[in-house]
Amino acid sequence: QQQVKQSPQSLIVQKGGISIINCAYENTAFDYFPWYQQFPGKGPALLIAIRPDVSEKKEGRFTISFNKSAKQFSLHIMDSQPGDSATYFCAASKAASKLTFGTGTRLQVTL
Amino acid sequence: GAGVSQSPSNKVTEKGKDVELRCDPISGHTALYWYRQSLGQGLEFLIYFQGNSAPDKSGLPSDRFSAERTGGSVSTLTIQRTQQEDSAVYLCASSLYSGSGGGEQYFGPGTRLTVT
Repeated sequence: QQQVKQSPQSLIVQKGGISIINCAYENTAFDYFPWYQQFPGKGPALLIAIRPDVSEKKEGRFTISFNKSAKQFSLHIMDSQPGDSATYFCAASKAASKLTFGTGTRLQVTL
Repeated sequence: GAGVSQSPSNKVTEKGKDVELRCDPISGHTALYWYRQSLGQGLEFLIYFQGNSAPDKSGLPSDRFSAERTGGSVSTLTIQRTQQEDSAVYLCASSLYSGSGGGEQYFGPGTRLTVT
């Protein structure tokens, strides 16, 4: 039973382009939705997070869009750079407890 | 301003041996989490501590797995009689607090466990 579905599995974007990763969740009790960035051999690093009382949150080049009625949220990376090449995980939790992760998206930003 | 640290970074063990993995959370963080990352299963929750107690152990895959936390700080994950399917990266995370409205989780670098 996969409670958080993430797509696409992999993504190739040209430098300067927009990277978009989508997640959908099933459990309506989830109230915290973070995105993590992971480089090979490293632990996941918190990138940006949103709670369901807002529909969008922006931090620098990273934006989360949240659609509560559709139970979907997405990460947009504007002006994508080669240094953004990593694996991105969406996650969800209820009352800031254990995280349920999506399956990850491997992003490659080409020159 | 140290982050979450884990030791060892790599552990190779023979099938049937016991292993202990250590996590030092960010100072002052009351909540501590263990996760496992493997190719087949992705990132999966194992156990969560609030202080020294573990209100959620639902992710531990079998009774060979146990964890403890002492002094509200360091945590040890123990795997007894290791099996090849235990091979994975074990990740620890901590947050300032848990509960509604709280707790960004910050991850350590992980311990890569290989069972031969």
